[in-house]
Amino acid sequence: KQEVTQIPAALSVPEGENLVLNCSFTDSAIYNLQWFRQDPGKGLTSLLLIQSSQREQTSGRLNASLDKSSGRSTLYIAASQPGDSATYLCAARPRSGGSYIPTFGRGTSLIVHP
Amino acid sequence: NAGVTQTPKFRILKIGQSMTLQCTQDMNHNYMYWYRQDPGMGLKLIYYSVGAGITDKGEVPNGYNVSRSTTEDFPLRLELAAPSQTSVYFCASGDRQAYTEAFFGQGTRLTVV
Repeated sequence: KQEVTQIPAALSVPEGENLVLNCSFTDSAIYNLQWFRQDPGKGLTSLLLIQSSQREQTSGRLNASLDKSSGRSTLYIAASQPGDSATYLCAARPRSGGSYIPTFGRGTSLIVHP
Repeated sequence: NAGVTQTPKFRILKIGQSMTLQCTQDMNHNYMYWYRQDPGMGLKLIYYSVGAGITDKGEVPNGYNVSRSTTEDFPLRLELAAPSQTSVYFCASGDRQAYTEAFFGQGTRLTVV
């Protein structure tokens, strides 16, 4: 059974810092790994999708990397801003089973203070 | 293109009442999923469907039922609401091509009192 772990559970940083959020998964047989953002009381917004054949994806100040062999993905946020405050979730979509059910981590709650 | 639409957005139920959470998607996706999210616990899979007429249990199916009569709709039914079902419920869908992304609805916040 796939297990996804996100470290740290919470993070508080001053504005302008570069930061890294970690996501690890136990089963490396994945199709892709997706990073989401969730604002309080809101739904999930997809940020980046990395296919299993890719090493990284970039969107603006966000960069996500994937290392299947070590079962890890990182989300790098450059020059953090207060508007980046949210919970960040990663989800791994497996190759096996045929139902391709995304398995989620518990998320990292990020606060960027001015 | 509406994506995944969930209704209602909020609901308060009394213990023992029943309700149906609606989910519809307009992307012709085969795969649909229901998750619940409790504070600090991430998302847990309740039920999923790989196509019309096919459903299966996820990690936490007790107290819930689903049906999938059409590709577009995947309603989640609570028959006898209990306080333990207080949660935020998310519906998601995905294409048959597994390498594509999953799309999520905006969630239904349910409180059982």
